[in-house]
Amino acid sequence: ETVLTQSPATLSLAPGERATLSCRASQSVDSYLTWYQQKPGQAPRLLIYDASNRATGIPARFSGSGSGTDFTLTISSLEPEDFAVYYCQQRTDWPRTFGQGTKLEI
Amino acid sequence: EVQLLESGGGFVQPGGSLRVSCAASGFTFSDYGMGWVRQAPGKGLEWVSTISYSGTSTYYADSVKGRFTISRDNSKNMLFLQMNRLRAEDTAAYYCAKSRGGDFDHWGQGTLVTVSP
Repeated sequence: ETVLTQSPATLSLAPGERATLSCRASQSVDSYLTWYQQKPGQAPRLLIYDASNRATGIPARFSGSGSGTDFTLTISSLEPEDFAVYYCQQRTDWPRTFGQGTKLEI
Repeated sequence: EVQLLESGGGFVQPGGSLRVSCAASGFTFSDYGMGWVRQAPGKGLEWVSTISYSGTSTYYADSVKGRFTISRDNSKNMLFLQMNRLRAEDTAAYYCAKSRGGDFDHWGQGTLVTVSP
């Protein structure tokens, strides 16, 4: 099983600042790494797929990078609506696994 | 517009059974794999199961293997999760999600399953 470890667990920033979230895999997942955003009381929302591709309708301030075992989600300038929990997920092997999440808070 | 609407959640005693359903619309259901992802209260996301577009291939998390069965009815655009021998640790919101090739590009709003005496 591929274990995904996200860091930090909580990230405290202010609107306008840059956010950098990390996801590390216990073995290579090539570029098959996905990022989701989840706000309280809502379903997750696809942000980034295959490490660096923004999903439809996702603002350009969201970007993803990495390959193999180390991945980064960057939000270039935080908007108030970006404060949420972010999860990574790998689709290389079974079982599909998620990271434990990073809570981005003000 | 893709819509996924779960139903069938509720309270069940340990050892009991429940079937949750997902009604899909806004896309050609029979062309896509589908999955279930759950989230225990206050916890993170856990993949539960995935089914191929045709229904011939199914995959399960170890935590539910042998107890849960995923299925689909392509003629009715419906996805199902039959849950047997339920345990307290199965308490969660269960999300139906459309697969994009292993990850999930659209999600329902979830249905809550509570396993309690």
